[in-house]
Amino acid sequence: GAVVSQHPSWVICKSGTSVKIECRSLDFQATTMFWYRQFPKQSLMLMATSNEGSKATYEQGVEKDKFLINHASLTLSTLTVTSAHPEDSSFYICSASLTSGRETQYFGPGTRLLVL
Amino acid sequence: SQQGEEDPQALSIQEGENATMNCSYKTSINNLQWYRQNSGRGLVHLILIRSNEREKHSGRLRVTLDTSKKSSSLLITASRAADTASYFCATGPGLDTGRRALTFGSGTRLQVQP
Repeated sequence: GAVVSQHPSWVICKSGTSVKIECRSLDFQATTMFWYRQFPKQSLMLMATSNEGSKATYEQGVEKDKFLINHASLTLSTLTVTSAHPEDSSFYICSASLTSGRETQYFGPGTRLLVL
Repeated sequence: SQQGEEDPQALSIQEGENATMNCSYKTSINNLQWYRQNSGRGLVHLILIRSNEREKHSGRLRVTLDTSKKSSSLLITASRAADTASYFCATGPGLDTGRRALTFGSGTRLQVQP
């Protein structure tokens, strides 16, 4: 099956620093990637939809200047949390889709971010 | 975005028993999917049922879909301790919604006691 990787798997940083998370589709080309955030014991909330070569589409309430998304190639999307604060501590999960995204998405293992 | 609701929120059963989880949603869908998540880990895709299907089986899993009631159920038969995890339903939006991403339900935390 299709494999999606994320790096790093966990990160601890100081408040005010920026953190970059990579999402890679290892054995397929993903036209669309999605970024989700999950707080403890809660469900996944979509943050943004990322399309290769174009600007990401952000969900309502998600600050695009704080969560920078770059989908530079068909196998790589990055999420940068700028000027991270403790409330940004969460589990960030990406997924990749071969086509429109309405069908099966392949999820990465997630990145746990802790901002001190 | 709207989320589906799942019930129960938490379920504890003995090994060998069946576990049933329900999911309700609000918008038109193209398909409904169930995912499993072990604590602190990524999601594993379990099964996808399309909007024109009513029931689907995969090993010990049985999924039903009732589009008139906007609901789905996931049945795990003969549960094992290794089935302990959180289970999420997710809807793939209909073509008329203009939305592409999945919308996740609130999840059911299943605990299977050995």
